[in-house]
Amino acid sequence: DAKTTQPPSMDCAEGRAANLPCNHSTISGNEYVYWYRQIHSQGPQYIIHGLKNNETNEMASLIITEDRKSSTLILPHATLRDTAVYYCIVRVADRSGGSNYKLTFGKGTLLTVNP
Amino acid sequence: DVKVTQSSRYLVKRTGEKVFLECVQDMDHENMFWYRQDPGLGLRLIYFSYDVKMKEKGDIPEGYSVSREKKERFSLILESASTNQTSMYLCASGLSAGVRSETQYFGPGTRLLVL
Repeated sequence: DAKTTQPPSMDCAEGRAANLPCNHSTISGNEYVYWYRQIHSQGPQYIIHGLKNNETNEMASLIITEDRKSSTLILPHATLRDTAVYYCIVRVADRSGGSNYKLTFGKGTLLTVNP
Repeated sequence: DVKVTQSSRYLVKRTGEKVFLECVQDMDHENMFWYRQDPGLGLRLIYFSYDVKMKEKGDIPEGYSVSREKKERFSLILESASTNQTSMYLCASGLSAGVRSETQYFGPGTRLLVL
């Protein structure tokens, strides 16, 4: 799986949009970009994923650059409950099984939403 | 709404005890996973199951075994608990391999302390 680079921490004011960047310059054509987050002392939570088109769901939007070397996760109206570590993962979606399925989280970005 | 539950949020055991961690998912997923998460080491895959009674070792299976007698339930067993197995244990489930089906859904985690 391609390596990703994220800033270690970011701050955001409550009610404002939080834009979390991720660099994945070595991404290959069949690799998806996934975002998960982990609120303190809880299990990771899936947020969104995409291949090359921008994606939106009820939680967030994912913007992937045209060359696919970077992406941005957008939380449109951050709340205090969005304070968490956000992980950007790049991986092939279609696998042959076994521990190829495992998720590998890097250090992620600690997003702190301030009142 | 997807749901992965784990039998305990917190557990304290003594060295040498046999420990059972249970995980149940209600999404009819084929794949289930057990990870442990430690500070500085990230998420590490212990075991993976892709069907009832089928299992594969992950990266750190030593000292652990698993059981999958029913599709919805995946148990992690510490045969003889040791202090270096003190950790946060995370169960996850997901559909079989395929495009757009690689999302993993995590339980809340079990924080195990072995004294």
